[in-house]
Amino acid sequence: QKEVEQDPGPLSVPEGAIVSLNCTYSNSAFQYFMWYRQYSRKGPELLMYTYSSGNKEDGRFTAQVDKSSKYISLFIRDSQPSDSATYLCAMTTMDSNYQLIWGAGTKLIIKP
Amino acid sequence: NAGVTQTPKFQVLKTGQSMTLQCAQDMNHNSMYWYRQDPGMGLRLIYYSASEGTTDKGEVPNGYNVSRLNKREFSLRLESAAPSQTSVYFCASSVAGHLIYNEQFFGPGTRLTVL
Repeated sequence: QKEVEQDPGPLSVPEGAIVSLNCTYSNSAFQYFMWYRQYSRKGPELLMYTYSSGNKEDGRFTAQVDKSSKYISLFIRDSQPSDSATYLCAMTTMDSNYQLIWGAGTKLIIKP
Repeated sequence: NAGVTQTPKFQVLKTGQSMTLQCAQDMNHNSMYWYRQDPGMGLRLIYYSASEGTTDKGEVPNGYNVSRLNKREFSLRLESAAPSQTSVYFCASSVAGHLIYNEQFFGPGTRLTVL
C-alpha cells in the first residue's frame, strides 16, 4: 500500500463547478501538506501549503486537512478552463530528511 | 530570473548508452533534487543534495549517479540506460530542505526514451 493515495482521474467538470480533490495517507506523522499544480508538459508549482489540521484559503482555492481521518482536500470554487491541470498532493514530517511523499496526481479537466 | 533550467528537453537513447542530464538554478538555493515521473506513480525522488558538496540517495537511486558541481548545478547521469528508465525527469531546488517551509521549485523536465 502506498503511503499517499490519490485518484488519478481524469475528473471532468463543467466551468463554474466546485471541484473537490482528495488524498488519503497512512503515516500519522505527516504534519506538512502541500498541493502542487502541474500543467501539461510543465514542472509542478506550489499552489497551497498547510500545517497540521484545519483550513487555509487563497482566492478560489481552499485546502483542508483532517488529521483524524488522514485525509486532505483541495477545493476549487468557480472553476475555470485555466484550472485544467494535474493536481499533486505532497506531505512530509518534521524529520523528513528532505523527502516529500507524493500522491500520483489527479488530472482535472474543466469543460467550457 | 530563469529559475530552474534543464537540458536537454528531449532525448532518445539506445539500451546501454550513457548520458548526463543537466540542471541549474539561479535562485541561490542550497538544496537540489532529481525526480522521475511515471504515469500513475507520481514523483519519485532519485537523489538529492542538501547543500553544496553533499548528495544522498532517494527512493529510486539504482542505475543513476549525481554530481553537485557547485551551488547552482546538479547533474544526473545514466551510465548504462535501460528501457525501465524511460520517464520524465524533473530537477527541483529549494532554499534549504531542512526548513519547515520547504517549497520546491521545478524545472520544465526532460523527456527520456530508452529503446
